[in-house]
Amino acid sequence: GIQVEQSPPDLILQEGANSTLRCNFSDSVNNLQWFHQNPWGQLINLFYIPSGTKQNGRLSATTVATERYSLLYISSSQTTDSGVYFCAVVTIYNQGGKLIFGQGTELSVKP
Amino acid sequence: DTGVSQDPRHKITKRGQNVTFRCDPISEHNRLYWYRQTLGQGPEFLTYFQNEAQLEKSRLLSDRFSAERPKGSFSTLEIQRTEQGDSAMYLCASLRTSGPTGELFFGEGSRLTVL
Repeated sequence: GIQVEQSPPDLILQEGANSTLRCNFSDSVNNLQWFHQNPWGQLINLFYIPSGTKQNGRLSATTVATERYSLLYISSSQTTDSGVYFCAVVTIYNQGGKLIFGQGTELSVKP
Repeated sequence: DTGVSQDPRHKITKRGQNVTFRCDPISEHNRLYWYRQTLGQGPEFLTYFQNEAQLEKSRLLSDRFSAERPKGSFSTLEIQRTEQGDSAMYLCASLRTSGPTGELFFGEGSRLTVL
């Protein structure tokens, strides 16, 4: 099956710093989503981005589907950005829309 | 609140007991998914429904697990004869689509602890 690899696994930042999280996937996809998992475990939708670039405030994302990767940019990080960020994809071979998740990047933003 | 709703949020049970989780998807979402997440891991797919039909089940879904979506609205996930290895967060997601995929929205999850 498809492999979804996220890097780095852990990231510690000082408040105000910028960061880039990466998601590599091993096969063609027609859906890619980025999530932030809050301390209570809920997955918060950040971006639905099968291709192209999107921005939402301090966050932006780019997916280059032909090269099988996506990037999540966090600028001017805040302590509330802490948590685990997941990338998840749907392969073009799956007709059910099943998301396959990476292992996540755990971000810690220090004041 | 019009998001995906899950109940209960937390469940502590003794090994061997049965537990049932409920998921209410976003209104008019025709697809509903169940995932399981253990500590330090990404969520893993368990099963999904298109309306009331269960169309795919993961090998993770042993015969002690059963899921239903009888009227194509809410869904239940039952675990019989729970084991300590069943301790996890159970997540539900829903999607409205007429094609193969779209944006999934997740509920707050049901955290199960088996003693």
